[in-house]
Amino acid sequence: GESVGLHLPTLSVQEGDNSIINCAYSNSASDYFIWYKQESGKGPQFIIDIRSNMDKRQGQRVTVLLNKTVKHLSLQIAATQPGDSAVYFCAENMLGTGFQKLVFGTGTRLLVSP
Amino acid sequence: GAVVSQHPSRVICKSGTSVKIECRSLDFQATTMFWYRQFPKQSLMLMATSNEGSKATYEQGVEKDKFLINHASLTLSTLTVTSAHPEDSSFYICSASGGADYGYTFGSGTRLTVV
Repeated sequence: GESVGLHLPTLSVQEGDNSIINCAYSNSASDYFIWYKQESGKGPQFIIDIRSNMDKRQGQRVTVLLNKTVKHLSLQIAATQPGDSAVYFCAENMLGTGFQKLVFGTGTRLLVSP
Repeated sequence: GAVVSQHPSRVICKSGTSVKIECRSLDFQATTMFWYRQFPKQSLMLMATSNEGSKATYEQGVEKDKFLINHASLTLSTLTVTSAHPEDSSFYICSASGGADYGYTFGSGTRLTVV
């Protein structure tokens, strides 16, 4: 399969810190990117998205940056809270055989200490 | 917003039996549905993509005869794990899309345990 990680890297931060989670994507033709949050035993939850014609997009407490030159995405979470503890995945929308499909990156576990 | 219902949330089955997982889009028509598998501490791996009324397209390395996918209507796709073995134990997640401009909506996942 595609983009299967062998393990999840972990980012540990203190409550109130800003968190930056990075992701490298694989296909330079991908045109749409999404960040998801996944809590244990649940499906992915949409956080924020960005299209390839943009390099930055802001939401509530979150910002996504896209660098197409090096195929890199980042998710910035401001004033991180314990409730932000979860696994975060970037996903890229790419063209399959006649259809679009979403492929996930390796993921990063975020641990927020009170 | 768009809602996808996945059922069952948990299932335990005996080795050699088959298990069916349902994925329904509740408030939109899903032209395309996707099935993912996730092993512990790993990412979501795309298994296959199905379009309503046509055969599913499987990712490389996924056995189409073992993981049967049916997308008979615009609101329902099913994944059947045939002759399940303990190594098929995993978290299976579906996603549905109403088209290129509608994004992806995920189900809540199904924890399959084969004993």
